[in-house]
Amino acid sequence: DQQVKQNSPSLSVQEGRISILNCDYTNSMFDYFLWYKKYPAEGPTFLISISSIKDKNEDGRFTVFLNKSAKHLSLHIVPSQPGDSAVYFCAASDKGTGTASKLTFGTGTRLQVTL
Amino acid sequence: KAGVTQTPRYLIKTRGQQVTLSCSPISGHRSVSWYQQTPGQGLQFLFEYFSETQRNKGNFPGRFSGRQFSNSRSEMNVSTLELGDSALYLCASSLVERRNEQFFGPGTRLTVL
Repeated sequence: DQQVKQNSPSLSVQEGRISILNCDYTNSMFDYFLWYKKYPAEGPTFLISISSIKDKNEDGRFTVFLNKSAKHLSLHIVPSQPGDSAVYFCAASDKGTGTASKLTFGTGTRLQVTL
Repeated sequence: KAGVTQTPRYLIKTRGQQVTLSCSPISGHRSVSWYQQTPGQGLQFLFEYFSETQRNKGNFPGRFSGRQFSNSRSEMNVSTLELGDSALYLCASSLVERRNEQFFGPGTRLTVL
C-alpha cells in the first residue's frame, strides 16, 4: 500500500525553465511534508518542508505547494540549474499518533536539467 | 556544524552472518532514525531512538535491532543476514522537538553474498 506516490519516475527540463515535481498521498492523517534531493551514493538532503496548516512555503528557488483537499503537493524549482539534476523524494509524517519520526517516502522522481 | 556520519560506508557480508552499523548524529540532535533503501521497496522506516529508548518501529523482522547510547550515537544490528538485506542503510537525526524534520547521513551500503 503506497501511501505516498510520485507517479513520474523521471522528468527532463531545460536549464532556466521551471521544474515541477508532483506527489500524491492517501493518508489523511499526514500533516507534515518534506522534499529531499538525493545524489547517487549519498544520503537524501533536506530541501524544504510544509505543514498542513499552510498551502505554500518558499525558500529561494524552491517552492512547495500543498493542496489538502486533493491530497497533492508539488515542488517548483525556478530557475532550474544543471546542479539540480538528482532524484527527488517527497516524504510525509503523521504527528497525530506520536509517529512523527516515521517518514513515509515516495518512490522518487529523477530530474535531469539539460543545457 | 558537522553532519550525520555513518560507519562503515561499505560492507560485504555472507548469508547467516550478523552486522553492526554505526551512526553519529548532528551535534544537539537527540533523535536518531534508521531507514533501509532498496530498489524494490524504496526508503522504508526501520526504527527511531531518543533518550536511549526505541520510540517507533517499522515493519521489519526482529533480526533488525538497534540501540542508542547516552551521547545519542546509535547502532543498528542485523542478525542472520539474508540476501534480501542487501541495501543502503540510512541514518537520520533530528531535534527531539522536531522529529519529523530529519537530516540524513551518507548511508552504509551493505552487500550480502
